Amino acid sequence: GAVVSQHPSWVICKSGTSVKIECRSLDFQATTMFWYRQFPKQSLMLMATSNEGSKATYEQGVEKDKFLINHASLTLSTLTVTSAHPEDSSFYICSARQGSANEKLFFGSGTQLSVL
Amino acid sequence: DQQVKQNSPSLSVQEGRISILNCDYTNSMFDYFLWYKKYPAEGPTFLISISSIKDKNEDGRFTVFLNKSAKHLSLHIVPSQPGDSAVYFCAASYSGSARQLTFGSGTQLTVLP
Repeated sequence: GAVVSQHPSWVICKSGTSVKIECRSLDFQATTMFWYRQFPKQSLMLMATSNEGSKATYEQGVEKDKFLINHASLTLSTLTVTSAHPEDSSFYICSARQGSANEKLFFGSGTQLSVL
Repeated sequence: DQQVKQNSPSLSVQEGRISILNCDYTNSMFDYFLWYKKYPAEGPTFLISISSIKDKNEDGRFTVFLNKSAKHLSLHIVPSQPGDSAVYFCAASYSGSARQLTFGSGTQLTVLP
């Protein structure tokens, strides 16, 4: 299947700093990418839908000023956690859809963020 | 409110036996369901799907059953193999949601040799 690369795979940062996570579709173009967050033993929660060339669509309860999403090209979306706090510590994972079918939804390997 | 629930966080099965993973949903608008499989340090990968117009879909060793009246679906793996050991996520979508997926919390399947 298609490949989605996400990095870094893990990051430790100090409280108050910003962290950028990249999500790249390596062998296909993705007009839509998705960002999820997962707490231990809980489901993947959709944070936002990233649309190439336009503003991201955020889910209810997700602070758009805290979680900045940029989808500047058809192969790259970035999530920046601004002014990170310990409660932002979580597993973040992206996905990119090749076409319109969810069977063609490919996931990155995720980023474990730990904020000290 | 969790709209897609996987109530069993873990399941252990002997190699060669059947594995049955269950998933319940509460939103009656969901009309498409998918199962994803996730190995450690990797992202989930698509396994099998089913539309609400069907009650069964089979692909090799994997079969998904859908009971709309009970809002329940299950994934059957037979025969189970050690390589099937992974976390399995159930996901659902509906036509009005731009195909956004709502995930369950996952079930860790361990197939014992």
